[in-house]
This record gives sequence, structure tokens and C-alpha cells, in this order.
Amino acid sequence: KAGVTQTPRYLIKTRGQQVTLSCSPISGHRSVSWYQQTPGQGLQFLFEYFSETQRNKGNFPGRFSGRQFSNSRSEMNVSTLELGDSALYLCASSSGTRVDQETQYFGPGTRLLVL
Amino acid sequence: AQTVTQSQPEMSVQEAETVTLSCTYDTSESNYYLFWYKQPPSRQMILVIRQEAYKQQNATENRFSVNFQKAAKSFSLKISDSQLGDTAMYFCAFRYTGNQFYFGTGTSLTVIP
Repeated sequence: KAGVTQTPRYLIKTRGQQVTLSCSPISGHRSVSWYQQTPGQGLQFLFEYFSETQRNKGNFPGRFSGRQFSNSRSEMNVSTLELGDSALYLCASSSGTRVDQETQYFGPGTRLLVL
Repeated sequence: AQTVTQSQPEMSVQEAETVTLSCTYDTSESNYYLFWYKQPPSRQMILVIRQEAYKQQNATENRFSVNFQKAAKSFSLKISDSQLGDTAMYFCAFRYTGNQFYFGTGTSLTVIP
């Protein structure tokens, strides 16, 4: 099976712009989670989607939003970018069931730089 | 609230030696899952090992094993015969069904040749 893919891999934006990141989960996986990773804050949970519904949500402002499509692909959108949004954004997929002990499998990440 | 604590920000080990990374967690749940993930400098996060809380037997994957102490809420990772490729950031994580993953802050492990 192909792994989790994320596009684009690298992105440079300026303050005030918006950005959309994409994640394609492992085939058959229904759950997609998004994380922000920075050197100072570690891994911060953004949200999780399961079968097109947001199932869990972290403590991020409303500028961060996401959605999941019927084929389980997910997008994350950040509006009105700030310098502090510069980070590695990781996507992880799981089956969403106990079949594989709820294991998450990660993509390579999208490196976002806000200037 | 669920929390995961990794008290060792950095560790180093000589090649071929054994090292143990610590992790403690706090939860009121009784059925949950615990994980160790590895993130090498290339940044792809990889599953190392996982443990179901209801299983008393400690999980083992080749050179990687865990010491799971449910009552103490401790989940340490032992790496035997350390190799240069083990150099990475290691994250401990916790999850119970239907809920989000909770990650620790990570331990940066360096294997010294």
C-alpha cells in the first residue's frame, strides 16, 4: 500500500495570505489528523477528521480549518497567515478502528515558511 | 485530561550499547494504546512499537522493547544494540478509542560511533 502523501512539500507565503495543504491517507483509512510541529512547541494537535466529520479538535484559532472528502483525502486551510505559522505540518492517517490498535501513520509533512 | 511526559530532552548512547527512554502518562481511561514513534533527521515520523493497555505482556520489535507498568503509568522504550540509524527524535504517544493522540515533547537520541 502507498503511504500517506502530502502536497506540497514546501511552501513560502507572506503574512496575510492564505494557504491550503493537502493530505491523501493510506488506502482504506478513514481518519486523518493534522499536527503542527515547531522546534519550540513540539507536536501540536490541530484536528482529526473521520468519515468527513471533524471528530476531535485542538486549541488553535479559527484561522485553522480543515475538511475531509468522501474519498478520505483531507485539506487544511490557514487564513491570514502570521509569522508564527511557520512550521512543519504533519498529516497522519489511521483506520479509525481498533483493528490496527488505532495506529497513526504519518506523511512526510509540508514545510511552510511565512515571510 | 490526558498528558504524556518525556523527562529526558536529550540522550546519547554508544553504538552497540543499550539505552532506555522514559515516558509517563496520566489518564483515567482503562483501555488505551501506547506508542513510540521515531522521527529521524529526514523528518518522516515512523512507528517503532505499540502496546495495548489490556495486554500485560510487554511488546517487542526486534531490538526495540517496552517496559509497560500500567499501575505506575509508565511506558519506557529500550533500544538494544544501538545503531547509528537509531539517531532520531523519539516521541511517546497515547490514545484511547475515538480520541486524539497525545504526544510527549520528545527525546533526542544520538548514537555515538
